[in-house]
Amino acid sequence: DAGVIQSPRHEVTEMGQEVTLRCKPISGHNSLFWYRQTMMRGLELLIYFNNNVPIDDSGMPEDRFSAKMPNASFSTLKIQPSEPRDSAVYFCASSLGDGEKLFFGSGTQLSVL
Amino acid sequence: GENVEQHPSTLSVQEGDSAVIKCTYSDSASNYFPWYKQELGKRPQLIIDIRSNVGEKKDQRIAVTLNKTAKHFSLHITETQPEDSAVYFCAASVTGTYKYIFGTGTRLKVLA
Repeated sequence: DAGVIQSPRHEVTEMGQEVTLRCKPISGHNSLFWYRQTMMRGLELLIYFNNNVPIDDSGMPEDRFSAKMPNASFSTLKIQPSEPRDSAVYFCASSLGDGEKLFFGSGTQLSVL
Repeated sequence: GENVEQHPSTLSVQEGDSAVIKCTYSDSASNYFPWYKQELGKRPQLIIDIRSNVGEKKDQRIAVTLNKTAKHFSLHITETQPEDSAVYFCAASVTGTYKYIFGTGTRLKVLA
């Protein structure tokens, strides 16, 4: 298996633009997580899905952020409109389920100018 | 709410010495504790994990210990090498959910 696949690897955009980050979890994994990493706040859990259903989105910073998982092999994280403070590395991760090993994708480095 | 505290935030050791990183967790029912290594510009990678029914686990030069009573767990790296230099994160599962809470990370520098 190729592991968790994220795209794009890097995204540079201007304030106010829409940004869409994509993730393909490891095949067979039931749980998918979106994390944001910054120097100041470390690794923050934004939202996670189990069996394609959003379970906890309490970490989503505000209404500008939304996430979907239309099927077991694809998820998106959208920011609209983007702001400079959204600049961070966004990681997607997946696992088999509760208390199972968590595997991270390579991340998307987002820069909002 | 659930919390994981990690210490120290930075650690410098001489090559060949041992390094110890400690974490405490708040959810007494947590049952799974992974450790991740993150090199600069890379993804966090799982290096070792331990479940609550085990007190210690070892894999070559790395080991993890768990004290459920005190709600402490630690990562031990022996015979450190320059390639061990990275940021290390501990994490704990949150009971009744599928999620994990991460510590704030320890930047380990191994000096040659």
